[in-house]
Amino acid sequence: AQKVTQAQTEISVVEKEDVTLDCVYETRDTTYYLFWYKQPPSGELVFLIRRNSFDEQNEISGRYSWNFQKSTSSFNFTITASQVVDSAVYFCALSQWVTGGGNKLTFGTGTQLKVEL
Amino acid sequence: DAGITQSPRHKVTETGTPVTLRCHQTENHRYMYWYRQDPGHGLRLIHYSYGVKDTDKGEVSDGYSVSRSKTEDFLLTLESATSSQTSVYFCAIGGGREKLFFGSGTQLSVL
Repeated sequence: AQKVTQAQTEISVVEKEDVTLDCVYETRDTTYYLFWYKQPPSGELVFLIRRNSFDEQNEISGRYSWNFQKSTSSFNFTITASQVVDSAVYFCALSQWVTGGGNKLTFGTGTQLKVEL
Repeated sequence: DAGITQSPRHKVTETGTPVTLRCHQTENHRYMYWYRQDPGHGLRLIHYSYGVKDTDKGEVSDGYSVSRSKTEDFLLTLESATSSQTSVYFCAIGGGREKLFFGSGTQLSVL
């Protein structure tokens, strides 16, 4: 069975601090995708990144970076120089191929990030 | 942004009544999904569709049915709503070799 663990329920930081959100996953599939989504207080789910299991290169996008380590089944997300606008719930998700070729996502329970002035 | 529209955005209903939620997409995407979000559970898959009239169950499908008669519309029906189905429901499109995008969500309260 697939599982995603986000052990950090809530993190509070002061603006400009760096913060890392942890994600550990379990799967028996050899091919899969990992995702991060952001859910701001307005409630929508914003796609941040999708990573293929064959691509272990770290990725950086502005203040965001992701560290994928297959050996430890982790896909951690770091925000550098955090800002108040980063306050949101962040979800990590793992895909599984389903009938017809789509992806079923298994989500973690989310990490609530609060960035204060 | 992906063209996904969910309706209604909010609904309050009574236990035992039928409820239908609609997801409409303008992306002509093959795959569509219904998830529910509950505190402490993240999002969980209810049903998904991989084409017109092709649907399958997710992990929390009991009490729900779906239909997809057109590529652009994916309907989620609660045949007889219960209080345990009070939740936020999200529709998503994509997957396969493409990104997965979510609609804005429907807040459903069953009293």
